[in-house]
Amino acid sequence: DAMVIQNPRYQVTQFGKPVTLSCSQTLNHNVMYWYQQKSSQAPKLLFHYYDKDFNNEADTPDNFQSRRPNTSFCFLDIRSPGLGDAAMYLCATSRDYQGTREQYFGPGTRLTVT
Amino acid sequence: AQTVTQSQPEMSVQEAETVTLSCTYDTSESDYYLFWYKQPPSRQMILVIRQEAYKQQNATENRFSVNFQKAAKSFSLKISDSQLGDAAMYFCAYSENSGGSNYKLTFGKGTLLTVNP
Repeated sequence: DAMVIQNPRYQVTQFGKPVTLSCSQTLNHNVMYWYQQKSSQAPKLLFHYYDKDFNNEADTPDNFQSRRPNTSFCFLDIRSPGLGDAAMYLCATSRDYQGTREQYFGPGTRLTVT
Repeated sequence: AQTVTQSQPEMSVQEAETVTLSCTYDTSESDYYLFWYKQPPSRQMILVIRQEAYKQQNATENRFSVNFQKAAKSFSLKISDSQLGDAAMYFCAYSENSGGSNYKLTFGKGTLLTVNP
C-alpha cells in the first residue's frame, strides 16, 4: 500500500530548464515536507506545508518553490536548475506538529542536471 | 542550533551478529524526540525506532534497541541477530517537542551498514 508516492523516480533536466517534481499521499496528513539529499549527506529540509500554510527554511534558495493545491498533492518547482541542484529529492508527511513526530517518506526523485 | 553527529560513516557486521551504531546530539532543550531511520538502497526511508526524552526506559522494537543516555546526549542503536535485509544507510534524527522548531527533523550524516553473509 503506497502511502507517499513520488513521480517521477528519475528526472533528467537541462541546465536552466524548469522542472517540477510531484508528491502525493494517501495518509491524509496535515504536514508535507520537501528535503534535498545530496550523495552521502543528510537530508536537508527545504520547506514544508502545514495544510495550506507554506513555511520556507531560511537557507532555501529562491530557485526552489512549492505548491500544495490540496491535502494530497505537493509539488516542488525548480525554476532554473543548476548543476549543484542535482540530488535526491525526498517528500515526507506527518500527521501534525504534535504527537509522535514520525515522518513518512516517499521513495524520492533523483534529479540529474545536464 | 541542534546538531546530530554520527561518527561512523560505515560499519559492517556478519549475519546473525550484533552491531551498535553511535549517535550523539547537542541541544539545550529537555523535551525532545530521537529517532533512527533506515534508508535501504533505492528504497524509501522508514522509521526504525523512536525514543521520547522524558522516558527513561530504552525503546525496543524486535531486534532493534537503543541505549539512550540523556546526560551524555548519546543515542546508540543496537541491531541484534543482523540480517541481510538490515543493510542500509541509518540516520539518527532529533526533533524538539515544543517551540518554533517542533516540526523539524535534524538528521545526522548517516552510517552505511553492510551485512556480510
